[in-house]
Amino acid sequence: EDQVTQSPEALRLQEGESSSLNCSYTVSGLRGLFWYRQDPGKGPEFLFTLYSAGEEKEKERLKATLTKKESFLHITAPKPEDSATYLCAVRFSNDYKLSFGAGTTVTVRA
Amino acid sequence: GAVVSQHPSWVICKSGTSVKIECRSLDFQATTMFWYRQFPKQSLMLMATSNEGSKATYEQGVEKDKFLINHASLTLSTLTVTSAHPEDSSFYICSARETDMGSRNYEQYFGPGTRLTVT
Repeated sequence: EDQVTQSPEALRLQEGESSSLNCSYTVSGLRGLFWYRQDPGKGPEFLFTLYSAGEEKEKERLKATLTKKESFLHITAPKPEDSATYLCAVRFSNDYKLSFGAGTTVTVRA
Repeated sequence: GAVVSQHPSWVICKSGTSVKIECRSLDFQATTMFWYRQFPKQSLMLMATSNEGSKATYEQGVEKDKFLINHASLTLSTLTVTSAHPEDSSFYICSARETDMGSRNYEQYFGPGTRLTVT
């Protein structure tokens, strides 16, 4: 069964303390891996799409990488405004549906 | 670009009544829209895929007669929760995928969500 697993569930960081979030997947034919940011009470905000192993994308303090079985979201020198839940989603099939992981809640203290 | 809106942002209704939630793509056309629900501290669960001009496709376990979906235009999909009960209280979120224009645009853009409370 196709599955998406995110770790850790929660991450508490000091401002400026870089760290990484993991998204692992078991899939027969990846057709895209997506990272979203979700603030409490709001819809997810699109961050990145990765399609093939070795691909990397960057946006401000965030960098996403992809291997054949997992993706990492690196947060460099985080600020309190980076506090949010980060969701990973995978597209397995041709019908554009996404399967979401449970998310990693990041809290950055000043 | 790629803005999706939802209306209302929150609604309280009495048990047994019906509630309609609208999802609009504001600056792009969306052949396909998706409806999710999210419980507190849990991830998004796909309820159904809404296709413009055709019937929605529901995920296993989702009652199609209870959650009516209509995708009448390329910018609007609606979700109607019929005969709502307290267990239907949840955060409902829609997303839209921009109609293919020859590029690899598989991203889904999400609306801000609708908080439904059934009393």
